[in-house]
Amino acid sequence: GAGVSQSPSNKVTEKGKDVELRCDPISGHTALYWYRQSLGQGLEFLIYFQGNSAPDKSGLPSDRFSAERTGGSVSTLTIQRTQQEDSAVYLCASSVGRLDGYTFGSGTRLTVV
Amino acid sequence: ELKVEQNPLFLSMQEGKNYTIYCNYSTTSDRLYWYRQDPGKSLESLFVLLSNGAVKQEGRLMASLDTKARLSTLHITAAVHDLSATYFCAVDSGGGADGLTFGKGTHLIIQP
Repeated sequence: GAGVSQSPSNKVTEKGKDVELRCDPISGHTALYWYRQSLGQGLEFLIYFQGNSAPDKSGLPSDRFSAERTGGSVSTLTIQRTQQEDSAVYLCASSVGRLDGYTFGSGTRLTVV
Repeated sequence: ELKVEQNPLFLSMQEGKNYTIYCNYSTTSDRLYWYRQDPGKSLESLFVLLSNGAVKQEGRLMASLDTKARLSTLHITAAVHDLSATYFCAVDSGGGADGLTFGKGTHLIIQP
């Protein structure tokens, strides 16, 4: 497709369960970013992948969060033992380079009940 | 730590009026982005400002960047209802590896 694709668009999960969020970036975009948007915290940067390089995980909010990117393309963000404060919209963005801006996906709305 | 402040955070205005949204940031950067977000939707890129003095215009929106003052403005000319949305500025602190730091957003309502 032409845009950044994220799935699922909505996810309701019980507290304590694990969830996996998927991002399929625009073909040819080597940079991929995950952000979280919540009412209380606004838009927060989580993690960045450049191609196949190992990411800097320091932006992840806790060790329950992990992310990987396979083959320099699709990325998954995994949240283990979900908590209610994890409820937010998780946005993925990709970029061909910093000069070109970032294209955001439509996000995954995660609700932990 | 890079901080990005937008003001106002909420703005209600009438159609036909002009207004400016301000975005201040705390550390040196020469990459600033403006995004629009409609309720329940994702972020739509409006402008990418890459150098001091950069000015870009699209329709009724014009954005500018002053890197010395660490200030960007988004000016709305003769507002129309369709421009109602939340507008975010975001700053790239360098290298891409730290991602973008976003302002809290300006919730703009334009009333007929």
